[in-house]
Amino acid sequence: QVQLQESGPGLVKPSETLSLTCAVSGSSFSNYYWAWIRQPPGKGLEWIGYIYYTGTTKYNPSLKSRVTMSVDTSKSQFSLKLSSVTAADTAVYYCARIYYYDSTGNYMDVWGKGTTVTVSS
Amino acid sequence: DIQVTQSPSSLSASVGDRVTITCRASQSISGYLNWYQQKPGKPPNLLIYAESTLQSGVPSRFSGSGSGTEFTLTISSLQPEDFATYYCQQTYSTPSLTFGGGTKVEIK
Repeated sequence: QVQLQESGPGLVKPSETLSLTCAVSGSSFSNYYWAWIRQPPGKGLEWIGYIYYTGTTKYNPSLKSRVTMSVDTSKSQFSLKLSSVTAADTAVYYCARIYYYDSTGNYMDVWGKGTTVTVSS
Repeated sequence: DIQVTQSPSSLSASVGDRVTITCRASQSISGYLNWYQQKPGKPPNLLIYAESTLQSGVPSRFSGSGSGTEFTLTISSLQPEDFATYYCQQTYSTPSLTFGGGTKVEIK
């Protein structure tokens, strides 16, 4: 059974860097893309970006200047860093596996349970 | 970026009702449209991909259709477990695989 588990600090101070890791188990890590999505309290889903196991990344343009994703294939995990955070970055952060069914179409078929990150001094 | 607009943002319905949710994309996305269901405190769950393909294990009362820029999620007979928030997502245009704003289905 494929499982994804997010981990990282639940509280981050304004202007600092949010760092999260997603550990993957029960799935081949290679040949998949891996995504980060967030959901502010009471609001909808926001796409942050994704990373391929090779390290290739694609980021949401609205967050691109502050986002860095990385991958550690030896540990079957990938990470998110979001710099210069403000209260607007308070959200539940989800990691997910992306499955491509053709050269363009894809969907997220496995999700982590999510981790709440609060930005506050 | 392709914008995705869902409507309505919320609706009230009764068990057994037929429910329709619409998603409109700002340009053609060639059917690359997914639907997810999210219940409180849980991550989203994939219902439909490629506009109309039902994900394995999803009840057949859920169906998707559409063309060009307008897409529909239909629940043929609403069940108690279907009260949730539904999101569409376009996957045609990277890097931002945008979600719609969500539709909350509540008990009437």
